[in-house]
Amino acid sequence: NAGVTQTPKFQVLKTGQSMTLQCAQDMNHEYMSWYRQDPGMGLRLIHYSVGAGITDQGEVPNGYNVSRSTTEDFPLRLLSAAPSQTSVYFCASSRDRMVTEAFFGQGTRLTVV
Amino acid sequence: QQQVKQSPQSLIVQKGGIPIINCAYENTAFDYFPWYQQFPGKGPALLIAIRPDVSEKKEGRFTISFNKSAKQFSLHIMDSQPGDSATYFCAASRADDKIIFGKGTRLHILP
Repeated sequence: NAGVTQTPKFQVLKTGQSMTLQCAQDMNHEYMSWYRQDPGMGLRLIHYSVGAGITDQGEVPNGYNVSRSTTEDFPLRLLSAAPSQTSVYFCASSRDRMVTEAFFGQGTRLTVV
Repeated sequence: QQQVKQSPQSLIVQKGGIPIINCAYENTAFDYFPWYQQFPGKGPALLIAIRPDVSEKKEGRFTISFNKSAKQFSLHIMDSQPGDSATYFCAASRADDKIIFGKGTRLHILP
């Protein structure tokens, strides 16, 4: 059972570079979301999607873009990386409503220098 | 009104003790209160959850106590073990809306 798969696990970027964090789930979940985790800040929602073709902003969306062309995939794009985006990023999926169990990926540790 | 306040930020307990993590919320529309457990280098995973129509829920050594009038809920770990050392997040949500997470509690159980 793969669940939620995130790639890469680790990444170092230079300021101003762009990149895409990949997230894929094989549970046919409708809801997918991206969080960032910073020390003392908990999990903060970046963007989320309630189904293919539908996305919306979370608490900290600036500097990030998402798209949802298929049910399985929900990539997160950093347009022009900044040191403030150094964080651990988690992708999560849920079966239907947001209130059901969220399954998280293993995370991507991103460092922007 | 969307905040979930979690305390303490960190907690150290001897093996066999009962760590207690507390959370408080403001939005009375919340109707689902999960706890997530996260081990180092891993993503969070659902541990136990409760809805406001019950005051307590037990799953193994883990218990959620819920006080609707005080808008508070807590996680108790009975007979804690070093393997319970992890970061714990409380959360809250309401129908068809996003999950709001607390800031987490780093728990360390001494052997």
